[in-house]
Amino acid sequence: AQTVTQSQPEMSVQEAETVTLSCTYDTSESDYYLFWYKQPPSRQMILVIRQEAYKQQNATENRFSVNFQKAAKSFSLKISDSQLGDAAMYFCAYRSNTGNQFYFGTGTSLTVIP
Amino acid sequence: SAVISQKPSRDICQRGTSLTIQCQVDSQVTMMFWYRQQPGQSLTLIATANQGSEATYESGFVIDKFPISRPNLTFSTLTVSNMSPEDSSIYLCSVEESPSAGELFFGEGSRLTVL
Repeated sequence: AQTVTQSQPEMSVQEAETVTLSCTYDTSESDYYLFWYKQPPSRQMILVIRQEAYKQQNATENRFSVNFQKAAKSFSLKISDSQLGDAAMYFCAYRSNTGNQFYFGTGTSLTVIP
Repeated sequence: SAVISQKPSRDICQRGTSLTIQCQVDSQVTMMFWYRQQPGQSLTLIATANQGSEATYESGFVIDKFPISRPNLTFSTLTVSNMSPEDSSIYLCSVEESPSAGELFFGEGSRLTVL
């Protein structure tokens, strides 16, 4: 089974600064999806950004961008101009293109310091 | 994106009882998924619920403990049976709106505390 590893259980960032959350994964597949989800204290998981493995261009959504390194099996999330509302648990997730099973990392708790 | 409503939002239950969690989606979806998130942990897939067929359970989860219903394309229930304190978790319903889109959408979760 695929595994997703988030090596940073906790991170903190000063408001307005930039922070990068790390994620690595293990797979033998060539076609797949990668996601970052945000789970604020309200509990609802919200999709932040997605990346298709066949796309070389890194995905960007406003202040959120990824650094997708397919050969290294790395998928980091960069949050620019951090805001207090960015404080949450962030989960990296993998999904094969041939199945519907999602694999989630253990999460990184992000604190934003005013 | 799909809007997913879960009930109850939270509950406190006694050991040995059972509780049914409801998940309602505002659009028809083929695949519905039930996840468990134990305190401070990541998400673990319990089962996949397809309309018109029995749910498919992941390793470590059995139908007798977590019976699932999927009567139509917008609704599903998960029952946590004969609860013990170890079942204290957040239970999340999620859907795949479009297989080509790839992502999951989640309900707000149901936080169960078993005393």
